[in-house]
Amino acid sequence: GAVVSQHPSWVICKSGTSVKIECRSLDFQATTMFWYRQFPKQSLMLMATSNEGSKATYEQGVEKDKFLINHASLTLSTLTVTSAHPEDSSFYICSARDGTEAFFGQGTRLTVV
Amino acid sequence: AQTVTQSQPEMSVQEAETVTLSCTYDTSESNYYLFWYKQPPSRQMILVIRQEAYKQQNATENRFSVNFQKAAKSFSLKISDSQLGDTAMYFCAFMNRDDKIIFGKGTRLHILP
Repeated sequence: GAVVSQHPSWVICKSGTSVKIECRSLDFQATTMFWYRQFPKQSLMLMATSNEGSKATYEQGVEKDKFLINHASLTLSTLTVTSAHPEDSSFYICSARDGTEAFFGQGTRLTVV
Repeated sequence: AQTVTQSQPEMSVQEAETVTLSCTYDTSESNYYLFWYKQPPSRQMILVIRQEAYKQQNATENRFSVNFQKAAKSFSLKISDSQLGDTAMYFCAFMNRDDKIIFGKGTRLHILP
């Protein structure tokens, strides 16, 4: 099946700094990618839809100025957590659709200290 | 709003037994996809089984099968001959026409030796 690669797998950053997470579709092109957030022992919550060549669309309640999404090519979407704070600590997962199936990255564990 | 409901937060069964995980969903769309995903401790999302709403036949993948009742908006997962490696979090999910995947809250399944 198709592969979605996410990098880094984990990151620790200081409060107030920004962190960039990359999501790549390795063997297929994805005009649309999705970013999810997962708190411990909870479900995946859709944050935003990343559209190649256009602005991302955010779910209700997600701060677009804090979670910047860029989808500059058909194989790469990035999520930048700006001015990160401890409450932004979470597990972030991206996904992309290939055919009738969605493929997920391995996730990024973000810890803000 | 489209929702996915998993009413069993946690379940435990003995190895080799059969277990059924429940899922209901709500949508006004007529054509969509339903999924069961497994999330082991590594947190990588693994597709277990997929069902296309326009197909009446229940999907089957080896030991995994679904009972899809479209009118009732029910989509349960049956795991036969359960194995220790089946221990994980299981998410029922719905993909809408915008390719967004909506997840249920999950069922934590423990397979006991």
